[in-house]
Amino acid sequence: QVQLVQSGAEVKKPGASVKVSCKASGYTFSDYYIHWVRQAPGQGLEWMGCVYPNSGATYYAQKFQGRVTMTRDTSISTAYMDLSRLISDDTAVYYCAREMGAANLKNHDYWGQGTLVTVSS
Amino acid sequence: QAVVTQEPSLTVSPGGTVTLTCASSTGAVTSGYFPHWFQQKPGQAPRALIYSTSNKQSWTPARFSGSLLGGKAALTLSGVQPEDEAEYYCLLYYVDLQSWVFGGGTKLTVL
Repeated sequence: QVQLVQSGAEVKKPGASVKVSCKASGYTFSDYYIHWVRQAPGQGLEWMGCVYPNSGATYYAQKFQGRVTMTRDTSISTAYMDLSRLISDDTAVYYCAREMGAANLKNHDYWGQGTLVTVSS
Repeated sequence: QAVVTQEPSLTVSPGGTVTLTCASSTGAVTSGYFPHWFQQKPGQAPRALIYSTSNKQSWTPARFSGSLLGGKAALTLSGVQPEDEAEYYCLLYYVDLQSWVFGGGTKLTVL
């Protein structure tokens, strides 16, 4: 069965970086985009960007350009999201989700369990 | 950055029907925005319900349906159950920006 398993909670100081992982299983990792979505406490969902494991191509929301890096290691079916220069507003649960992105049909279906990142001095 | 707008909250009686909508600041929502709908309950990850306007996930109950309505994406729940009380989010794709944008969410209360 398809599973996306994320790394554990993190506590970081302002100005630091955090790297969250998302390990995929149950499907061909290279064939699906991996998206990253975050949710601040009591707030809605926010799309951050995605990586296509086959090519490594990335697409980022304008808000995070220059501060986020999404990568993948196809040998271990794992995607990574690295967010730098953290501020308190980056405190959120970070989710990964997969997407079957064909030209005429797109389907975000499975999500990871979420990773809480707390930014505090 | 495009803005995606949903009703902040809606209330429906058990067994009733309710339609949630999803509008784009850029104009009418079409199938080219590949509208998605997700359900989220407190403390849980979002759960996908509808993709590319009207396609259901294999686990989506039959009472959920997606469509385009009056220039917006729409999610209709027919025969609402108490367990449908949740936050619902739509997601749209902006091909020119190669970006996805979530709506602010609709809190659905079953009362």
